Amino acid sequence: DTEVTQTPKHLVMGMTNKKSLKCEQHMGHRAMYWYKQKAKKPPELMFVYSYEKLSINESVPSRFSPECPNSSLLNLHLHALQPEDSALYLCASSQDTGPGLAGGRSYEQYFGPGTRLTVT
Amino acid sequence: DQQVKQNSPSLSVQEGRISILNCDYTNSMFDYFLWYKKYPAEGPTFLISISSIKDKNEDGRFTVFLNKSAKHLSLHIVPSQPGDSAVYFCAARYSGNTPLVFGKGTRLSVIA
Repeated sequence: DTEVTQTPKHLVMGMTNKKSLKCEQHMGHRAMYWYKQKAKKPPELMFVYSYEKLSINESVPSRFSPECPNSSLLNLHLHALQPEDSALYLCASSQDTGPGLAGGRSYEQYFGPGTRLTVT
Repeated sequence: DQQVKQNSPSLSVQEGRISILNCDYTNSMFDYFLWYKKYPAEGPTFLISISSIKDKNEDGRFTVFLNKSAKHLSLHIVPSQPGDSAVYFCAARYSGNTPLVFGKGTRLSVIA
């Protein structure tokens, strides 16, 4: 099972709303990621959690607040967003973020289907 | 400053022929490379990867070639099928606790 699930699939919110995006994986992965993807652009990393601790924050504005309640769940809390925050938000997970197993293998990231967010 | 470059935004190939998607990188510290396939409105799907200690990795119809001296990798799909039509992202990473660096993607259209 290489499934990462995300809810909701679509979300429309006003600039004063508070909402949350949810991500779940049951592959026993210990690293989880949030990416933002605009149309015709590659995914842009936002946050990395490793063993339930925030390890990378790519200078994301504080109106985005990640949370990792346990090793299977990752949330992204949204508050006071701007219209330019409208994008596809992707969650991913990998076995670890470390250098990989012996023999040169690394840890592939598996992506969820994304949440299409529209800020009005 | 793009460290991973996919210079062809799009590619059209006839069904049954070979598709070759190219990717160049600038940072010689990258030690692992991945290809992802993305359909519209879906998340990227991992396709195939290659470590910098290898020059070829094959998985069914998909083969990735790595030329370290040229800092170039390519994904070969043979034979191409209409279901392969998607955007293909090349990604790279350093060893250690580092995130993936993605290229801008190449849109492949396989024509029946």
